[in-house]
Amino acid sequence: NAGVTQTPKFQVLKTGQSMTLQCAQDMNHNSMYWYRQDPGMGLRLIYYSASEGTTDKGEVPNGYNVSRLNKREFSLRLESAAPSQTSVYFCASRKDGWNTEAFFGQGTRLTVV
Amino acid sequence: EDQVTQSPEALRLQEGESSSLNCSYTVSGLRGLFWYRQDPGKGPEFLFTLYSAGEEKEKERLKATLTKKESFLHITAPKPEDSATYLCAVQAFRDDKIIFGKGTRLHILP
Repeated sequence: NAGVTQTPKFQVLKTGQSMTLQCAQDMNHNSMYWYRQDPGMGLRLIYYSASEGTTDKGEVPNGYNVSRLNKREFSLRLESAAPSQTSVYFCASRKDGWNTEAFFGQGTRLTVV
Repeated sequence: EDQVTQSPEALRLQEGESSSLNCSYTVSGLRGLFWYRQDPGKGPEFLFTLYSAGEEKEKERLKATLTKKESFLHITAPKPEDSATYLCAVQAFRDDKIIFGKGTRLHILP
C-alpha cells in the first residue's frame, strides 16, 4: 500500500505564482487534512475535509484554497504565493470511527522567493 | 478555542536516563488525544490514542498517560534511536479537526 502520497516533494515558486499541491490516499479514508509546518511552530491545520464534497477551514486558511476532488484526492492551491507561505506542507487522512489515527504523507517542501 | 501546549521545547538526555514529556490541553469535549513521533524530513508517525482520564498505553520504552488537563509521555531507559520530535494532538467531539502542539525535540546521547 502506498498510503498517503504527496506531489511534488520539492517546489520553488516566485512571489505571485500559483500552484497546486496534490494529495492522494489509497486507504478508503473519509477524512483528509492539510497542515503546514514551520520551524518551532509544530503542525498548523490549514483546511480539512470530513467527507467527499465537504471542506472546512482550519487554523490558518488565509491564502489557500482546497478541493476534495473525490474520496481519494484532496488538493491545496496557492493562488498567489507569498514568501510567508514558505513551509513544509503535510497531507493526512483518517478513516471514520472513534479516535482513529491520522496517516501522514512525506511532505512537500515549498520555497517562495 | 482548542489549545495544545507541549513542554519542554527540547530535551537532551543521556542514554538510559528516563524522563517525561508534557502535553497540556484545553478543549471543549475531548474526543481523543494523540501522540506522534516525527523524524527529520519525514511525516509524523502515530504512536498512541488516549480518550479517557486515567487511561495508559505502552509501546516498548514509551508509556502515555492522560488526565483531564494533560498527558504525559514517559520514556524509560531511552536509546539514541528514540531521538525525534514528539507531537501531541487533540480532537474534540464537535468536529473532525485535529489540532497539534508545537512538539518536543528529544535528543538521546549515547
